[in-house]
Amino acid sequence: QVQLVQSGAEVKKPGASVKVSCKASGYTFTSYDINWVRQATGQGLEWMGWMNPNSGNTGYAQKFQGRVTMTRNTSISTAYMELSSLRSEDTAVYYCARGRGSGNRYYMDVWGKGTTVTVSS
Amino acid sequence: QSVLTQPPSVSAAPGQKVTISCSGSSSNIGNNYVSWYQQLPGTAPKLLIYENNKRPSGIPDRFSGSKSGTSATLGITGLQTGDEADYYCGTWDSSLSAHVVFGGGTKLTVL
Repeated sequence: QVQLVQSGAEVKKPGASVKVSCKASGYTFTSYDINWVRQATGQGLEWMGWMNPNSGNTGYAQKFQGRVTMTRNTSISTAYMELSSLRSEDTAVYYCARGRGSGNRYYMDVWGKGTTVTVSS
Repeated sequence: QSVLTQPPSVSAAPGQKVTISCSGSSSNIGNNYVSWYQQLPGTAPKLLIYENNKRPSGIPDRFSGSKSGTSATLGITGLQTGDEADYYCGTWDSSLSAHVVFGGGTKLTVL
């Protein structure tokens, strides 16, 4: 079945970087975008950006420009999201989600279970 | 605050119907398709509705979506206790920096 399996929880100090992985299975990895969405405790969903696994093209939310990098390794059907210069406000659950549709019909149909990132000194 | 506006909470009794609104602007809902996501407590979001009113396979027809102008609505009929969750609307925003936007979420309580 189609699924996205994310890496385990991380604890980082302020100023450090974190790299979360998202392994796809059950479909052709390069055929659909991978999005990253985060959710702080008790808060709503916040979109961070997308990546086209085929071309490697990316699009980042303005808020994260310069701090986030999305990459992939097509040989193992895995996407990565790296966030640098971490601060306490980055403590959240980070989800990867498969993007579907094109242009203005965009939506996310399959989600990973989430990776908890805690930033604490 | 979120680009899309949803009521923080709604409630209704089992078996009843409830609607959740999502209000935006011409740069997002007004010119793009809306999707809805259900997030049960402690779990990842799940796609409920896409392209305004389409249901993925496995989603019961108790769930419906509609859009008019710069607003969208999620409807749930025959409410069950298992429907207690947070519901989020989402869409593409075609402003200067094209990106995905979500509503702030609505907590549904089935009394």
